[in-house]
Parts: sequence; structure tokens; C-alpha cells
Amino acid sequence: EDQVTQSPEALRLQEGESSSLNCSYTVSGLRGLFWYRQDPGKGPEFLFTLYSAGEEKEKERLKATLTKKESFLHITAPKPEDSATYLCAVAGRQGGSEKLVFGKGTKLTVNP
Amino acid sequence: EAQVTQNPRYLITVTGKKLTVTCSQNMNHEYMSWYRQDPGLGLRQIYYSMNVEVTDKGDVPEGYKVSRKEKRNFPLILESPSPNQTSLYFCASSLGENTEAFFGQGTRLTVV
Repeated sequence: EDQVTQSPEALRLQEGESSSLNCSYTVSGLRGLFWYRQDPGKGPEFLFTLYSAGEEKEKERLKATLTKKESFLHITAPKPEDSATYLCAVAGRQGGSEKLVFGKGTKLTVNP
Repeated sequence: EAQVTQNPRYLITVTGKKLTVTCSQNMNHEYMSWYRQDPGLGLRQIYYSMNVEVTDKGDVPEGYKVSRKEKRNFPLILESPSPNQTSLYFCASSLGENTEAFFGQGTRLTVV
């Protein structure tokens, strides 16, 4: 069964203090690993898709990386507007299933 | 504007009274899915559809039904709602299960 574990559950940073969020996964045949951002009361918003180990993608202050067992979302010099819950999800090749499995998320708070 | 539209946004109902939450997308996406989001449990997939007339169970399908008669619409049906189905529901669509998903605004359902 595909599983996704995110850590930490919550993270408080000062503005400008860089850090990383972790997503550990177990999947049969990775078809894609996703990062989403979710603001309170809203639907998740797509950030990145990674398809194979060694792949990296960047967008503004965010950089996502992927290994065979985990993914990191690196946040460089964060700003208060980066405060949100960050979700990781995997799509696996499990017996013909096309399911998408999400982790429970990391709630990031960036203080000014 | 590309979007996924869910209705209603808020719904309070009584146990056993059948209800339908509608979902429509205007991006000609083949893959659509429903999720519920509960505190401490994260986003869990209820049902997904890979194309018209093709649906399959996600991780928490009990108590829900779906149909996909048209590509753009994917309604979620609760034939006999119970209080444990009180949750925040999201519909999403994408080209495939391993591509960027667009989420609706969410439907907050309370069953009393």
C-alpha cells in the first residue's frame, strides 16, 4: 500500500530563516510525486511534480528535490506570505490502480 | 479561466437525507477525483474517474457514490449521510493521475 509521511507536522520560522520540509514515501512504481500549497479554507494549489530520483525543480523561494525514498521542499529566505500548509502526494503503479495518496501536510508559519 | 467549480460551498443536513455535491471542470480533463479532508487525517481520496463511465474506489469510498456521464461533471452522492461524513470535501481534475491537479474551492458538509 502506498504511504506518504511528512515531517515536521508544524514549523515556525523567522522571515529569512531557510529550512526544509520532508516527505518520505513508500510506493509501488512511482509515477509522480507532487507538492501542493494549501491556504486555510481553500483548495490545494499545485507547486511541483517530480518524476524520477535526482530531479529538482525551483519556483521563486521554493526548490523541490527527489530521491528514491523521499522528497524535500527547500524554502530559502522565506517571507510571511509563504505561510501555508504544504502537502506532498504520490501517484503509484499499484495493481492497475490510479490512486493519488496525500501526506498529512506540514503547517509552515513564517513570522515577520 | 480554467477552474473546477463545486456546489454548494456550505451544507448542513440531517442524517439519512440524500444529497449531491456537484463538481464541474472546464479544462477537458480526463481524470477527476473527490477527496475529504479531516483534521489530523489529511486529504483522503474517496473516488476517482479516469474518463467517462470509468470510476474506481479511492481509500475511503464507503457511504459515497459517484457517476461520470459527461467528461466535465463528476457529482458526489451521499445516499444516506451520517455524522461521520461531516468533513471538508474537495473535487479535483487533471489530465491524468500523475499530472498537475486543479482543486475546487471546497464544500464544507455538516451532518447532524
